[in-house]
Amino acid sequence: DIQMTQSPSSLSASVGDRVTINCRASQSISDYLNWYQLKPGKAPNLLIFGASSLQGGVPSRFSGSGSGTDFTLTISSLQPEDFATYFCQQTYSIPLTFGQGTKVEIK
Amino acid sequence: QVQLQESGPGLVKPSQTLSLTCTVSGGSINSDDHYWSWIRQFPGKGLEWIGHISSSGSTYYNPSLKSRLMMSVDTSKNQFSLKLSSVTAADTAVYYCARTLNKHADFWGQGTLVTVSS
Repeated sequence: DIQMTQSPSSLSASVGDRVTINCRASQSISDYLNWYQLKPGKAPNLLIFGASSLQGGVPSRFSGSGSGTDFTLTISSLQPEDFATYFCQQTYSIPLTFGQGTKVEIK
Repeated sequence: QVQLQESGPGLVKPSQTLSLTCTVSGGSINSDDHYWSWIRQFPGKGLEWIGHISSSGSTYYNPSLKSRLMMSVDTSKNQFSLKLSSVTAADTAVYYCARTLNKHADFWGQGTLVTVSS
């Protein structure tokens, strides 16, 4: 199985801050990398697919980059509704696997 | 807008079978472009991909669950289902269903908590 390692596991930030979350794969996965946002009691939300493609309806302050083994999710200016937990997922091979999550909290 | 809703028992006894159904609205499950997925989130917050199924019944399962897992689809009801046998406390989780396009899950249900306990 491909192991996905996210960092940091949590972070505290203020509204307006630029936030970066990292995800590393245990082997090359090309650009088969998705990012999701999870909030308690709500349906999870796909943010980025194919490492850098913004899902329709997702604000442009979210962006993704990377290829191979190292990937980044960036929130350019954190908004109150962005406080949530973020997960990366590789879809290069089965079983599809997720990172352990990054919780973004209010500073 | 596609919507998905999970349903099923919230409490299952150890060694029994966990059964969940996902009802799709706002779109047809009978699509050549989509797969229909199950994903779970453990109490410690980690996510696990369980598997997915096409409208024609082709399945892809997580190998770690394959021996206990069965997925099915009912296109007449616009539903798909999950059965996980011989459950233990380790199967306690929030179970999500999702629509999958090219392996990214673009629409999800809100999830349903299933607790395995006697």
